[in-house]
Amino acid sequence: AQSVTQLDSHVSVSEGTPVLLRCNYSSSYSPSLFWYVQHPNKGLQLLLKYTSAATLVKGINGFEAEFKKSETSFHLTKPSAHMSDAAEYFCVVSFSTGTASKLTFGTGTRLQVTL
Amino acid sequence: GAVVSQHPSWVICKSGTSVKIECRSLDFQATTMFWYRQFPKQSLMLMATSNEGSKATYEQGVEKDKFLINHASLTLSTLTVTSAHPEDSSFYICSASPGGRARETQYFGPGTRLLVL
Repeated sequence: AQSVTQLDSHVSVSEGTPVLLRCNYSSSYSPSLFWYVQHPNKGLQLLLKYTSAATLVKGINGFEAEFKKSETSFHLTKPSAHMSDAAEYFCVVSFSTGTASKLTFGTGTRLQVTL
Repeated sequence: GAVVSQHPSWVICKSGTSVKIECRSLDFQATTMFWYRQFPKQSLMLMATSNEGSKATYEQGVEKDKFLINHASLTLSTLTVTSAHPEDSSFYICSASPGGRARETQYFGPGTRLLVL
């Protein structure tokens, strides 16, 4: 079975400071991993995905994540937080069912950005 | 591109009535559509997977007679909550996948908030 664990339910940072949202995964084989963001009253938006190519993945809005197999981690980072980054972030693992892939979501991390 | 819409965005209904939620892929054909449920301050839980023209596959614990899913075309899937009760109140989100080489990609709709009184 595949799963992801988001270690922090809530993270608060000051605007302009770095962001680190932690995610560990469990998978019986090489996983595909994603980070999605959910703003209030908006649909989920894909930030970035890892699919066994480069271990450092760059996404939208300045976010990036590094796949570390030895640590089974896929932490999301951003050098400098912006107020608009405040949202719920989900780490997600994918597994194939043939014609499509099912996604298993982590419990989410709420990012708060303060002035 | 890759826009998924849901209708309605908000619905309030009386206990015992049925509610239909539509999910449409606006600019691509969706081989597979997924329905999720999200309780307040919780994660998304997959309810079912549907392929166009086939019966939906439900996750363990999801009542297929309660949550009817129809995937009549490559751009439309519907979720009907039958005989809704207050405990069915939730945020329902659909996603659509183009399949093929992009089968790992899911594009999400904005969600439908259901309140059953």
